[in-house]
Amino acid sequence: QSALTQPPSASGSPGQSVTISCTGTGSDVGGHYHVSWYQQFPGKAPKLMIYEVSKRPSGVPDRFSGSKSGNTASLTVSGLQAEDEADYYCSSLAGGNKYVFGTGTKVTVL
Amino acid sequence: EVQLVESGGGLVQPGGSLRLSCEVGGFTFSSHWMSWLRQAPGKGLEWVANINQRGSEIYLVDSVEGRFTISRDDAKRSVYLYMNSLRAEDTAVYYCARAQYASFQDWGQGTLVTVSS
Repeated sequence: QSALTQPPSASGSPGQSVTISCTGTGSDVGGHYHVSWYQQFPGKAPKLMIYEVSKRPSGVPDRFSGSKSGNTASLTVSGLQAEDEADYYCSSLAGGNKYVFGTGTKVTVL
Repeated sequence: EVQLVESGGGLVQPGGSLRLSCEVGGFTFSSHWMSWLRQAPGKGLEWVANINQRGSEIYLVDSVEGRFTISRDDAKRSVYLYMNSLRAEDTAVYYCARAQYASFQDWGQGTLVTVSS
């Protein structure tokens, strides 16, 4: 299982939008709608932000949205805030009920 | 409030064994798949293992097949990760998580496993 590809970094000014891509293959991202996104602060456990491509768990601000096209999923953070500065990881169900994560993206709020 | 508390991490020599435990609260444990995931120092997240509600389905990442296994005890509301033949590359913070909708909905705080002589 090869890791999904994410850009190492992304940035934006407060109030702007930033979009993070997550590229896989037809065997994972492109094969179904089980793509999720996680936010992680240094030294802390990850937190689920998006599941099933575009669904938000209770309590996650609607500034966070997800989408997918072909083998690439995306996470968009609109109205960027200083508190959004963190690492973000995508994950996808892969073959055989196994999972694969993305390489991670560090989001910086300028 | 959902709670997941891992324990059992520590320093172990290469080739050694360790059992991690995760005790949960705040949700119906017997109704959920459970997972173990890990994060090596300064690296990204990696899924390690899943177990279904009855313990009859177990899935492991290829790199730990034959060395690790996962089990659960509903009476103790706990999930375990048994790790054998440990290698330096298994050094990581290990998290347990509640799985639902093919995602990891809630996470514990993690327990550090260091494999070194």
